[in-house]
Amino acid sequence: EPEVTQTPSHQVTQMGQEVILRCVPISNHLYFYWYRQILGQKVEFLVSFYNNEISEKSEIFDDQFSVERPDGSNFTLKIRSTKLEDSAMYFCASSKTSGAQETQYFGPGTRLLVL
Amino acid sequence: QKEVEQDPGPLSVPEGAIVSLNCTYSNSAFQYFMWYRQYSRKGPELLMYTYSSGNKEDGRFTAQVDKSSKYISLFIRDSQPSDSATYLCAMSRNTGGFKTIFGAGTRLFVKA
Repeated sequence: EPEVTQTPSHQVTQMGQEVILRCVPISNHLYFYWYRQILGQKVEFLVSFYNNEISEKSEIFDDQFSVERPDGSNFTLKIRSTKLEDSAMYFCASSKTSGAQETQYFGPGTRLLVL
Repeated sequence: QKEVEQDPGPLSVPEGAIVSLNCTYSNSAFQYFMWYRQYSRKGPELLMYTYSSGNKEDGRFTAQVDKSSKYISLFIRDSQPSDSATYLCAMSRNTGGFKTIFGAGTRLFVKA
């Protein structure tokens, strides 16, 4: 069964450093998402991406964040200058079409720790 | 008022029990209602999806939506220890970007 994959599984970085989290969505999916989950808290929407542009973003997704689909398979989340409060689990998700947006398939997540 | 309210539990039941999980929401514009299961340190896994008010059944799981009361439920029949996980309700509306709002999640323990 196809699945969303994410790398790395764990990332430790120093405050102020840039990090890039990578995702490979399911191959025939067109909509891509990033969510984060701070330890012990709820899953929070960050951004959705379709047709090579951001379709919606939350107030969390400020200028420190950016997303990109650099090729036909990868979808990345970049945090330019990490803060301590960026420590969280970051989930990538994908869905097939607009009519099936509710069926978002999640990856296993990248655990980011900012020191 | 939070957009989505969900009792975090924990909820502990014996094996074979019927489990009832619930969420309330405040935004009447929500159109899509989902239940996800999340095991510790894993990504959410979609269990059930409903679009309109009413019931939807899939094996031991039944999802119920009451839009008039802004209340959604997930019932698990014949619960198993393998059902022990955190259950997240989620909902969204077509804003072009399909932003999904999650509840806090209810931790469920099914004791053998």
